[in-house]
Amino acid sequence: GQNIDQPTEMTATEGAIVQINCTYQTSGFNGLFWYQQHAGEAPTFLSYNVLDGLEEKGRFSSFLSRSKGYSYLLLKELQMKDSASYLCAVRDDKGYQKVTFGTGTKLQVIP
Amino acid sequence: DTEVTQTPKHLVMGMTNKKSLKCEQHMGHRAMYWYKQKAKKPPELMFVYSYEKLSINESVPSRFSPECPNSSLLNLHLHALQPEDSALYLCASSGTGKEGANVLTFGAGSRLTVL
Repeated sequence: GQNIDQPTEMTATEGAIVQINCTYQTSGFNGLFWYQQHAGEAPTFLSYNVLDGLEEKGRFSSFLSRSKGYSYLLLKELQMKDSASYLCAVRDDKGYQKVTFGTGTKLQVIP
Repeated sequence: DTEVTQTPKHLVMGMTNKKSLKCEQHMGHRAMYWYKQKAKKPPELMFVYSYEKLSINESVPSRFSPECPNSSLLNLHLHALQPEDSALYLCASSGTGKEGANVLTFGAGSRLTVL
């Protein structure tokens, strides 16, 4: 089975840096995704990690440690528009289309 | 075209009605997905089609019936639903290569209310 945990809510200040953690215990692993979802909208893709290490993409970076079952999403220079839910998702290594989402973290950016 | 289009955006139905949700993509993706999302919860996987064949059914009740008529279309037929089935239904598509991320691209969703 899949068990993917994230903090429920976080608050951070505009211009600051925030780190959103994700821990997973899964029966198989073939990649981890981070998605952003604004209220009432569809999830949009942010990043993908399949090997250990840091992937950087503009203001967003994502880190993966497969041995620890751990990932984080780092958001720099926070903007008000970054207020959204951030979803960690793990792909299974058997049915490789099986992508399971974590509990999600609602981030509020305040002035 | 990098979009997944879902119709209708909103649907209200009674428990005895039969309705369908539709999803279309023209990105050449050969995997298509249905997810269900309740308020303040993450998306939950329902079905996956790979090359127009059902590859994953996450023990979804039979009142939900998926159909993949061709590589661009995915339907979800609804019959005898319950009020607790009210949710946002998200369609997604992805590539199927053994290499690469095969990122899921989501549609805007169909918000279903069952009375």
